[in-house]
Amino acid sequence: AQSVTQLDSQVPVFEEAPVELRCNYSSSVSVYLFWYVQYPNQGLQLLLKYLSGSTLVESINGFEAEFNKSQTSFHLRKPSVHISDTAEYFCAVRKPTGFQKLVFGTGTRLLVSP
Amino acid sequence: SQTIHQWPATLVQPVGSPLSLECTVEGTSNPNLYWYRQAAGRGLQLLFYSVGIGQISSEVPQNLSASRPQDRQFILSSKKLLLSDSGFYLCAWMAGVEQYFGPGTRLTVT
Repeated sequence: AQSVTQLDSQVPVFEEAPVELRCNYSSSVSVYLFWYVQYPNQGLQLLLKYLSGSTLVESINGFEAEFNKSQTSFHLRKPSVHISDTAEYFCAVRKPTGFQKLVFGTGTRLLVSP
Repeated sequence: SQTIHQWPATLVQPVGSPLSLECTVEGTSNPNLYWYRQAAGRGLQLLFYSVGIGQISSEVPQNLSASRPQDRQFILSSKKLLLSDSGFYLCAWMAGVEQYFGPGTRLTVT
């Protein structure tokens, strides 16, 4: 079975500062990895994903995540955050084969202040 | 393109009352469908999933049930709500390797 750990429940940062949201996973098989973002009172939106290939993946709004197999991590980073990045971020994993079920972490609330 | 709808958007119900939340998907056929609950300050808990009409799998035993009467319709129900059923309910479907979520229903049980 897979599991996901997001150790930071809340990360406060100032606008234009860099940020890293940590995600570690556990799995006995290879996995696909995802980051989702949830704005208040909305559903989740896919931010980026790692399936295979380059270990660094990027989103259209400046976030990036790096898959590190040896450390079983998929940390999310942004070099300069905006107020509008304030949201909850969820890391998730799933097996490439078999029934398609995502396993989510408990989420990290990113709070960007001016 | 595919779209997922949920209604109602918000709901306030007394303890012991019944519940029916509906989710429909447009633009696809035979999707895998999912119900999640997000309690205040907690992550997402998978409640039910369905791979086809009438096929429901439960992840967590509780007083909720799910049904899939049509290919693109997924319903979450309860006969008698508990205070602990309060939360944000999200419907989702899987498209290839990615999961897409509906806008959610905020349920408050009083």
